[in-house]
Amino acid sequence: QKEVEQNSGPLSVPEGAIASLNCTYSDRGSQSFFWYRQYSGKSPELIMFIYSNGDKEDGRFTAQLNKASQYVSLLIRDSQPSDSATYLCAGGGSQGNLIFGKGTKLSVKP
Amino acid sequence: ETGVTQTPRHLVMGMTNKKSLKCEQHLGHNAMYWYKQSAKKPLELMFVYSLEERVENNSVPSRFSPECPNSSHLFLHLHTLQPEDSALYLCASSQNPGHGTGELFFGEGSRLTVL
Repeated sequence: QKEVEQNSGPLSVPEGAIASLNCTYSDRGSQSFFWYRQYSGKSPELIMFIYSNGDKEDGRFTAQLNKASQYVSLLIRDSQPSDSATYLCAGGGSQGNLIFGKGTKLSVKP
Repeated sequence: ETGVTQTPRHLVMGMTNKKSLKCEQHLGHNAMYWYKQSAKKPLELMFVYSLEERVENNSVPSRFSPECPNSSHLFLHLHTLQPEDSALYLCASSQNPGHGTGELFFGEGSRLTVL
């Protein structure tokens, strides 16, 4: 059974702090990894994707991938209350059939 | 037009009813998906259509029946559902699995309640 594991949270951080979201996956064949953000009552929207080991930065967001440890993370710098949402980690092969984790609920306190 | 549109946004049906969910994508993608999202559970892949052919159904009960008449439209036909089928049903599209990024673009979802 291919699985993606996330801590469901809630993860609470003060405004301006760094939020660290983590994810592990079981399928070593997974090639690409995605972080989606889902606001309450809304559909998931893509934040970042990463294919290669190491870090990938986009604005306040940094995705990290360690294929040897089967570990993916998302760092959010200078967290804002508008970042409060559920963050979904997903991994999958080139066929686009993504396996999702349950999501981590992030709360950024003003 | 937004990228992926779903109708209806909310649906309440009895266990003996027959209804359909509709999805339309305006992104020029050639793969479409149905996902089920229940509380405290991961997104569950139900059906995948690539180039209008179903490639995966993940052992979904037969009371859910998908239809993909062309690369822009996807339906989920519902009949004799159970209360545990109440969930948010999300449609998604992507570009050419195998050559694209695998990135999924989601619709806003159809919130289904089965009484």
